[in-house]
Amino acid sequence: DSGVTQTPKHLITATGQRVTLRCSPRSGDLSVYWYQQSLDQGLQFLIQYYNGEERAKGNILERFSAQQFPDLHSELNLSSLELGDSALYFCASSPGTDPRYGYTFGSGTRLTVV
Amino acid sequence: DQQVKQNSPSLSVQEGRISILNCDYTNSMFDYFLWYKKYPAEGPTFLISISSIKDKNEDGRFTVFLNKSAKHLSLHIVPSQPGDSAVYFCAASAAGTASKLTFGTGTRLQVTL
Repeated sequence: DSGVTQTPKHLITATGQRVTLRCSPRSGDLSVYWYQQSLDQGLQFLIQYYNGEERAKGNILERFSAQQFPDLHSELNLSSLELGDSALYFCASSPGTDPRYGYTFGSGTRLTVV
Repeated sequence: DQQVKQNSPSLSVQEGRISILNCDYTNSMFDYFLWYKKYPAEGPTFLISISSIKDKNEDGRFTVFLNKSAKHLSLHIVPSQPGDSAVYFCAASAAGTASKLTFGTGTRLQVTL
């Protein structure tokens, strides 16, 4: 158990639907990151929050949004889902913004859009 | 634009031998490089990192080498063990990007008996 909790572990939904992925960071960590891993691809950075504020944004689609709440948990909302959104979505957390010590990743949410 | 590249999708090494995983990058602004290991059904786990001002960092059986002029880094695992069988991702961070990491596509290492 890495300390980063992602729910649900698996999600199957239809095209056009909306889903919410949830992440609870490791205790004490203020930064939360969201990554997408499609088949045979590396992890693609989506967005980062630090202590409730958006800090960095990657190639996140307009159909996707995220937020970090006062208790530091984060949610990634995916709407108008398309088949190509099927992927593993990872959340990670870190104490601050120093990259030297890496992130702690959760075990991911596998989203299948049918 | 793949700024971090791992050109070998897979690697097979005998137990006890050295495993060498390679990574190339194109962005000169990267100032930290990291390696992650990933087992099936788990998230990536941080292994080791190196600053761009260094050329080597060692942690137990794991050593990362950085060649800035060639924009190349490598991870050496000595001796390799069956438990090292996993997918290894190279990642890089650029100054001023709030520790956003750019990942390679991974190399699957299999350590055989």
